[in-house]
Amino acid sequence: GESVGLHLPTLSVQEGDNSIINCAYSNSASDYFIWYKQESGKGPQFIIDIRSNMDKRQGQRVTVLLNKTVKHLSLQIAATQPGDSAVYFCAENSGGSNYKLTFGKGTLLTVNP
Amino acid sequence: NAGVTQTPKFRVLKTGQSMTLLCAQDMNHEYMYWYRQDPGMGLRLIHYSVGEGTTAKGEVPDGYNVSRLKKQNFLLGLESAAPSQTSVYFCASSRSGKSSYEQYFGPGTRLTVT
Repeated sequence: GESVGLHLPTLSVQEGDNSIINCAYSNSASDYFIWYKQESGKGPQFIIDIRSNMDKRQGQRVTVLLNKTVKHLSLQIAATQPGDSAVYFCAENSGGSNYKLTFGKGTLLTVNP
Repeated sequence: NAGVTQTPKFRVLKTGQSMTLLCAQDMNHEYMYWYRQDPGMGLRLIHYSVGEGTTAKGEVPDGYNVSRLKKQNFLLGLESAAPSQTSVYFCASSRSGKSSYEQYFGPGTRLTVT
């Protein structure tokens, strides 16, 4: 049979709606949490980061929320556009240094026109 | 600026063959990384370098070697390719220091080992 790990979580939204992508992280000692966007056929692209001493950070059309109690991270995208269609990865610097990142498996966001 | 470039874009190898993947960056970044990405998985760190002439093992280093002879280049070598090394390989670079988690990725190399 197929491994569950081969199938990405998916989120399908209508253009103009808000999107919320969730991530559970593993290491309570991580200092930084980062979201990356990967469009089809391309390398990942940095979107936004949040430090562990914050619970919310806003960027342009994106907001990241951090709940350390339950080790949960979310990315909110306002007024989702077709260009937002991509796989979104959360990452944490769980290796004790800012540059050694542990990536989640990703969520596929599809925006329907 | 070209950012991070990788060559080749695609490659097919037979089991036991060797090859080198080249990564180049023109942002004067200190740190460079090699990741592999398998279907339905996140990226896993193979090797990394925090400066010219230095390399270190990441999460999945077995079967790979790297070299960083020049600051702008980071080479990934497979001495004897195995089917388990079929994957998409991404190179990345970043500044040193607190913002080193902001990594800039190349377009990837799709490798198939038969």
